[in-house]
Amino acid sequence: GAVVSQHPSWVICKSGTSVKIECRSLDFQATTMFWYRQFPKQSLMLMATSNEGSKATYEQGVEKDKFLINHASLTLSTLTVTSAHPEDSSFYICSAPGPIFSSYEQYFGPGTRLTVT
Amino acid sequence: AQSVTQLDSQVPVFEEAPVELRCNYSSSVSVYLFWYVQYPNQGLQLLLKYLSGSTLVKGINGFEAEFNKSQTSFHLRKPSVHISDTAEYFCAVSDMDSNYQLIWGAGTKLIIKP
Repeated sequence: GAVVSQHPSWVICKSGTSVKIECRSLDFQATTMFWYRQFPKQSLMLMATSNEGSKATYEQGVEKDKFLINHASLTLSTLTVTSAHPEDSSFYICSAPGPIFSSYEQYFGPGTRLTVT
Repeated sequence: AQSVTQLDSQVPVFEEAPVELRCNYSSSVSVYLFWYVQYPNQGLQLLLKYLSGSTLVKGINGFEAEFNKSQTSFHLRKPSVHISDTAEYFCAVSDMDSNYQLIWGAGTKLIIKP
């Protein structure tokens, strides 16, 4: 149980276009999801906390107008990279706290590799 | 503020040798501790976690870690590594007030030499 999926697993887009990445909790409900960005050979950087039915909370330095997050249901959060540029190329990972409240464990999606040309 | 330190960016070790990956954290409250593994071009997988109870935690793939509160450490160990253990290993911490947010170490790349 507690599986998180992401789609697409990789995407190539042209500079100036927008890309949407989906994060789904497959067998449990997630009122909170996290979006991370990972640069090559580096650790994960938390971008934002996605909250079902309310606005996302962005970390300092993350442009909320560029990285649009929508958490419209208890099993789906989306990250849209708007007007993408080559510097947005990265590995994007989502996660959700598991269904067992006291576990404080996050379950991670497999990641989406975005390449902007 | 909490922080997590993984002192070794890379650890090379021969196959079948033991390995220890170090993790130290700073926190003034009770913490939950995690080790995640990331295989090349893949997402993150939980290796093991410490929430409470026994300070020696056993995880998947033969890994274990020991929580040492006095030294604020949570080092990961395996008695005999295999080539398939080649991966990036991340230590992470969360606490009661963090709303599930994880504070991450920089990661340690485990390189297995044949």
